[in-house]
Amino acid sequence: DGGITQSPKYLFRKEGQNVTLSCEQNLNHDAMYWYRQDPGQGLRLIYYSQIVNDFQKGDIAEGYSVSREKKESFPLTVTSAQKNPTAFYLCASSMADYDSPLHFGNGTRLTVT
Amino acid sequence: GENVEQHPSTLSVQEGDSAVIKCTYSDSASNYFPWYKQELGKRPQLIIDIRSNVGEKKDQRIAVTLNKTAKHFSLHITETQPEDSAVYFCAANRPDSGNTPLVFGKGTRLSVIA
Repeated sequence: DGGITQSPKYLFRKEGQNVTLSCEQNLNHDAMYWYRQDPGQGLRLIYYSQIVNDFQKGDIAEGYSVSREKKESFPLTVTSAQKNPTAFYLCASSMADYDSPLHFGNGTRLTVT
Repeated sequence: GENVEQHPSTLSVQEGDSAVIKCTYSDSASNYFPWYKQELGKRPQLIIDIRSNVGEKKDQRIAVTLNKTAKHFSLHITETQPEDSAVYFCAANRPDSGNTPLVFGKGTRLSVIA
């Protein structure tokens, strides 16, 4: 089940706190992504990165930030500015072109109270 | 930008029957259409994909058809089994939007009743 690892599996935070979700891959993929999954909403793109030290906003980037200092790692920070942070977060990676299969991690379920 | 609509949102079938899930897309430039399966508590996994140069692709009990003129594509599962129960997502690429990543449909929860 290796390839792309997300940690932790469950995360609990108080409202107003920033929290960082980890994503590491050993597939030598250039591209990495963060998706948010809510019931009935499908997978919505938060941020993506094609190459180290470069990333772009996705469809719902407000209240989130990312970094891509290493090819293997693409951490996501959920800031206090995100109005509805409670969700299931999925990290994925792929070859550089966007018609390559996505490999997903097992996800992190974040609960903010 | 690209919009992908997926129907139905839930689908129940008897074991052994067929299941069909349909998706429509808006960007006529889209040329790659994957399907992902997400079992309960697990990660989404690619089960089949199709590119715009073909109209149909099969892999054992699973097939995908593409109608470029009508801008829709469908997932067909024959001889359904309980282990087919999952949420299925369709997706499309968006070449005309600065080569941004896939956009997904909202998912279909398939239940196969034994």
